[in-house]
Amino acid sequence: DAGVIQSPRHEVTEMGQEVTLRCKPISGHDYLFWYRQTMMRGLELLIYFNNNVPIDDSGMPEDRFSAKMPNASFSTLKIQPSEPRDSAVYFCASSLSSGQRTGELFFGEGSRLTVL
Amino acid sequence: AQKITQTQPGMFVQEKEAVTLDCTYDTSDPSYGLFWYKQPSSGEMIFLIYQGSYDQQNATEGRYSLNFQKARKSANLVISASQLGDSAMYFCAMRERSRPSFGNEKLTFGTGTRLTIIP
Repeated sequence: DAGVIQSPRHEVTEMGQEVTLRCKPISGHDYLFWYRQTMMRGLELLIYFNNNVPIDDSGMPEDRFSAKMPNASFSTLKIQPSEPRDSAVYFCASSLSSGQRTGELFFGEGSRLTVL
Repeated sequence: AQKITQTQPGMFVQEKEAVTLDCTYDTSDPSYGLFWYKQPSSGEMIFLIYQGSYDQQNATEGRYSLNFQKARKSANLVISASQLGDSAMYFCAMRERSRPSFGNEKLTFGTGTRLTIIP
């Protein structure tokens, strides 16, 4: 079975450029999460969706960040304009609202972003 | 306030010994779940073990067990007979269902413990 699929795996860009990260969750999962991981801050939740609807975006650092989930099988995280401090690994994860281990997150492999 | 606290930034353990990674949590919600994830140097997040707040017994998954002490709000991960491949970052995480909002399914992670197994 396919897991959570993220693209690109690596992105190097220059300050001021737009960055779009993509995620395909596991089919049938009704929650989708975007996390950011840095050495300084660890794993931070940026935003999460339930049935394609944003539930909590309080972790989005500022207006330069936006996320969408137009359908159950696709989500994007956009940074515009990007800054060097946005350099991090961005993880997408999905989960089911029911089941034996409710809330277990299935992570993608991450997108490593470097902003020069 | 920190909801998940992992007080050991790094640990060194001899191969084949058992190791305990500490995790304490803070919640007033009676319904919650506790998770441990492993992150090897390759970067992926690997689920290890889960404990529900109403589970009567401590969770076990192969060499992993969770020492759940509800009154003390601790959920320590125990790895028996450690192996070189256990060297990684380990994260404790908690899911709460806070009222009155419905479906608060987000996981909050601790800062992690870097475990190094010495041959």
